[in-house]
Amino acid sequence: DGGITQSPKYLFRKEGQNVTLSCEQNLNHDAMYWYRQDPGQGLRLIYYSQIVNDFQKGDIAEGYSVSREKKESFPLTVTSAQKNPTAFYLCASSMKRPYNEQFFGPGTRLTVL
Amino acid sequence: KQEVTQIPAALSVPEGENLVLNCSFTDSAIYNLQWFRQDPGKGLTSLLLIQSSQREQTSGRLNASLDKSSGRSTLYIAASQPGDSATYLCAVEGLTGGGNKLTFGTGTQLKVEL
Repeated sequence: DGGITQSPKYLFRKEGQNVTLSCEQNLNHDAMYWYRQDPGQGLRLIYYSQIVNDFQKGDIAEGYSVSREKKESFPLTVTSAQKNPTAFYLCASSMKRPYNEQFFGPGTRLTVL
Repeated sequence: KQEVTQIPAALSVPEGENLVLNCSFTDSAIYNLQWFRQDPGKGLTSLLLIQSSQREQTSGRLNASLDKSSGRSTLYIAASQPGDSATYLCAVEGLTGGGNKLTFGTGTQLKVEL
């Protein structure tokens, strides 16, 4: 089945730790995205990548880092510099314009202990 | 800066009713608008995408319209069912800024009651 997978589903982090969230897609999409969702707020873009080995900051990139070494994979690292990392993290992918409907993975819920 | 608003924040209707969800955006320079559904604790499911040159899109019992000049979109759900209960999100992609960046509304939480 084609789709987007995210792992783990739940993640617990101690303060001061870096953690990495996985996102993999087998849709052959060029572009991939990371969003953060907090209660009562819309999704906010953290980072996005339109092509392998290239990525751009979104609206809330501080305290996060990404890499795009393979077309299929776009891992997100939440660093200790992120002051309030507890949130629901969603990964998405799309083709290039004009066929750029975004498709989402199931999400990872990160909790800081 | 683009802002997307969805009203109402929550809606409860009896089964079988036709309903309309509203989405408004402040900057009409958009490339497309996308409607999503989100079940509790889950990812987003894409429902409909409307290109800026289109007026509406239909999929089954769903119909989405777009009035770019007034900055509005509506999602019409016909003959609602309990399985339609979810949060519905709209998002717009701007023409400027590069990339396929979406700006999301905060959603309308829909409950369809038996």
